Amino acid sequence: NFMLTQPHSVSESPGKTVTISCTRSSGSIASNSVQWYQQRPGSVPTTVIYEDNQRPSGVPDRFSGSIDTSSNSASLTISGLKTEDEADYYCQSHYGTNWLFGGGTKLTVL
Amino acid sequence: QVQLVESGGGVVQPGRSLRLSCAASGFTFSNYGMHWVRQAPGKGLEWVAVVSYDGTNKDYADSVKGRFTISRDNSKKTLYLQMNGLRAEDSAVYYCAKDFSHWGQGTLVTVSS
Repeated sequence: NFMLTQPHSVSESPGKTVTISCTRSSGSIASNSVQWYQQRPGSVPTTVIYEDNQRPSGVPDRFSGSIDTSSNSASLTISGLKTEDEADYYCQSHYGTNWLFGGGTKLTVL
Repeated sequence: QVQLVESGGGVVQPGRSLRLSCAASGFTFSNYGMHWVRQAPGKGLEWVAVVSYDGTNKDYADSVKGRFTISRDNSKKTLYLQMNGLRAEDSAVYYCAKDFSHWGQGTLVTVSS
């Protein structure tokens, strides 16, 4: 088993770029795919990144994902921030058929 | 389009049982694994359980193992979560999800005396 640790909150101004990290506690971050979900207040989660760095259709290319084996972490980067990007973001991975989410990061665009 | 509609939530006393259902439409239900995910009020997402497309393989979060049972009826296109021995910490909105690509709107479970 492992844990995924995210910063509790981040904030940035419109038009800027923000990166949210997701650090895996044990085992390699490259061992299992990482997904990222956006959850706006009062809404269900939606996928913004799957399989580390793939964007579902309809997700703007302002959203990108990556993994870094040196820090054993995954990152979600959002460029050209818009106020509509303000939401909670969750990373997710799995081991076998057991899945887990990071604790979530609240993104404030101010 | 894919639709997932949960039902069965409500207020229940600690130690009691509840069964949640998730009615699926808009896709070939029997081809996909299905998940339950929960979210306590004001808290993050917690994966609960998964069942394979044919119901033969299941897995659970440690927090619910031995108390919750996931199942499915492909003829009815319905996913279930049988929750026994409920605890206050099980209080949450429960979502069903297809591949995590589509989620239902959730059903609220409150465990309280």
